[in-house]
Amino acid sequence: QVQLQESGPGLVKPSQTLSLTCTVSGGSISSGGYYWSWIRQHPGKGLEWIGYIYYSGSTYYNPSLKSRVTISVDTSKNQFSLKLSSVTAADTAVYYCARAHPTTAIDYWGQGTLVTVSS
Amino acid sequence: QSVLTQPPSASGTPGQRVTISCSGSSSNIGSNTVNWYQQLPGTAPKLLIYSNNQRPSGVPDRFSGSKSGTSASLAISGLQSEDEADYYCAAWDDSLNGPLYVFGTGTKVTVL
Repeated sequence: QVQLQESGPGLVKPSQTLSLTCTVSGGSISSGGYYWSWIRQHPGKGLEWIGYIYYSGSTYYNPSLKSRVTISVDTSKNQFSLKLSSVTAADTAVYYCARAHPTTAIDYWGQGTLVTVSS
Repeated sequence: QSVLTQPPSASGTPGQRVTISCSGSSSNIGSNTVNWYQQLPGTAPKLLIYSNNQRPSGVPDRFSGSKSGTSASLAISGLQSEDEADYYCAAWDDSLNGPLYVFGTGTKVTVL
């Protein structure tokens, strides 16, 4: 059973960079076959896909966030990370990490972590 | 910016059948399979249906999915109180810039 767990600061100041890490257990990122993804959900709103990374380091980002997003992977630690720069209050959301099959579905999700952007 | 359109709400009494629609376009639902998620309050979404009509292990057969053209639907038969949740459809989108995973606007199901 694959499990994912987000970690990182719950409070970030405006204009700073939001940084989160997802630790994967029960499966190896380096075995390939999946896109390791970040999704966010603004309070009381729907789901927004941020982007993904493949074990090789290939990435793809939502065009609406592309200029501010970097997703990286550390296969030795079985972790992948999200950096979102120049944050504003509009980036306040619950951030989820997840595993996505390239042709079907996001099947496993982390529990999510609330990140608040405030001074 | 949700690309797939769902009704904001749906409701039914225990035992009834409830259906949720999901409308997309040729680049997402028209080209790829549809998935459905259930999100209980304060929890992460849970995969309910994948590849249009497949249920992951452990999902009751009260939940079923279908797809036709650029639309899809989720049906809940024999509605139960524990089905009260938000439901989202989703699909890969073959955008010009690369594959995007797009979600529906979400439907809140209320058990009366």
